[in-house]
Amino acid sequence: AQSVTQPDIHITVSEGASLELRCNYSYGATPYLFWYVQSPGQGLQLLLKYFSGDTLVQGIKGFEAEFKRSQSSFNLRKPSVHWSDAAEYFCAVNNQGGKLIFGQGTELSVKP
Amino acid sequence: DTAVSQTPKYLVTQMGNDKSIKCEQNLGHDTMYWYKQDSKKFLKIMFSYNNKELIINETVPNRFSPKSPDKAHLNLHINSLELGDSAVYFCASSQLSAGGSNEKLFFGSGTQLSVL
Repeated sequence: AQSVTQPDIHITVSEGASLELRCNYSYGATPYLFWYVQSPGQGLQLLLKYFSGDTLVQGIKGFEAEFKRSQSSFNLRKPSVHWSDAAEYFCAVNNQGGKLIFGQGTELSVKP
Repeated sequence: DTAVSQTPKYLVTQMGNDKSIKCEQNLGHDTMYWYKQDSKKFLKIMFSYNNKELIINETVPNRFSPKSPDKAHLNLHINSLELGDSAVYFCASSQLSAGGSNEKLFFGSGTQLSVL
């Protein structure tokens, strides 16, 4: 069965520091991978997605993610975090049946 | 205009009551979803409709009944509410590609249901 694991429940970084949020997936075929962000009291917004091609994908708000098939990972990165990036981040895989399977989420806190 | 709107935003009710949550999307998408987010922020799909037809029905109690009067609307009716139904319910929509993949899901802002 498909699954997505986000090992870190909560991460705190200082403003201006770099960020990496981890995501591992379990899926038999080529996965369609996504990162979503959820601000408090809001729905989810798509940051970026990977379907095929270049394994380094760029998203909105300065985020990027790299697909590594050998490690079954799709980690999210940002070179310099802003206070407004504090939110919950979800990694997800599409099972090509139209169903998104989400990880448990990583809560990001940003220190001044 | 809000792309995916759901009402109400907050819903507080007693155990045993019946309640509905409404969802509308103005994006012209042909697929709509209901997701449940529990207290630990875990998101799980409940239902998916494509052009008013049910295509995904996860293991959800039959007290939950989705209804899609047209492809722009997907409502969720819950009978005999229980304490464990307390959660945030998100509506979403997307346009499935020919291969069945989600290009992108657009989410509503959620309905926080509290059952007392």
